[in-house]
Amino acid sequence: DSGVTQTPKHLITATGQRVTLRCSPRSGDLSVYWYQQSLDQGLQFLIQYYNGEERAKGNILERFSAQQFPDLHSELNLSSLELGDSALYFCASSVEVGPTYEQYFGPGTRLTVT
Amino acid sequence: AQSVTQLGSHVSVSEGALVLLRCNYSSSVPPYLFWYVQYPNQGLQLLLKYTSAATLVKGINGFEAEFKKSETSFHLTKPSAHMSDAAEYFCAVSEGFKTIFGAGTRLFVKA
Repeated sequence: DSGVTQTPKHLITATGQRVTLRCSPRSGDLSVYWYQQSLDQGLQFLIQYYNGEERAKGNILERFSAQQFPDLHSELNLSSLELGDSALYFCASSVEVGPTYEQYFGPGTRLTVT
Repeated sequence: AQSVTQLGSHVSVSEGALVLLRCNYSSSVPPYLFWYVQYPNQGLQLLLKYTSAATLVKGINGFEAEFKKSETSFHLTKPSAHMSDAAEYFCAVSEGFKTIFGAGTRLFVKA
């Protein structure tokens, strides 16, 4: 158990809908990362927050947005969902930002868009 | 930009045999390198990391990796494979605030 929690574990929804994925980092970790993992794209970095502020953006679509709240939990919002958005979404956290800090991953949310 | 290449999407070894998973990186600055493991239906967990200290890095579960600057490599090894090592392994390089992951290598262990 990494200490990172993600809800829900599974989500099934229809095209065009909007969903919110939630992540609680490890106690004491200030940085949160979001990743998308699919069979064809592998593990793709989406976005990173540190203490409420956005720090880095990766391959995140404009239909996707995220935020980190004052209690440090984070939410990833996916809207106008398409079949291709079906994937595993991971949240990770680290105590600080910087290249030497390892990330602790949650168990993921499996999103299925039908 | 930094990048990571993992050679071989699938590697199969017999139980008790040497495990060698290959990773090459490109970087214009001293790299920070990581190996993560993902077991079925789980998130990734850190095996080991290189942050410019010793070039031979020991990790959990008997794994180790050697940083070779001249070869821009950070291959992962384990002397003797166990059935429980069957998983997907990801090499990663840190670039500023981002971590770039390789495509992953799935390790199969035959009895």
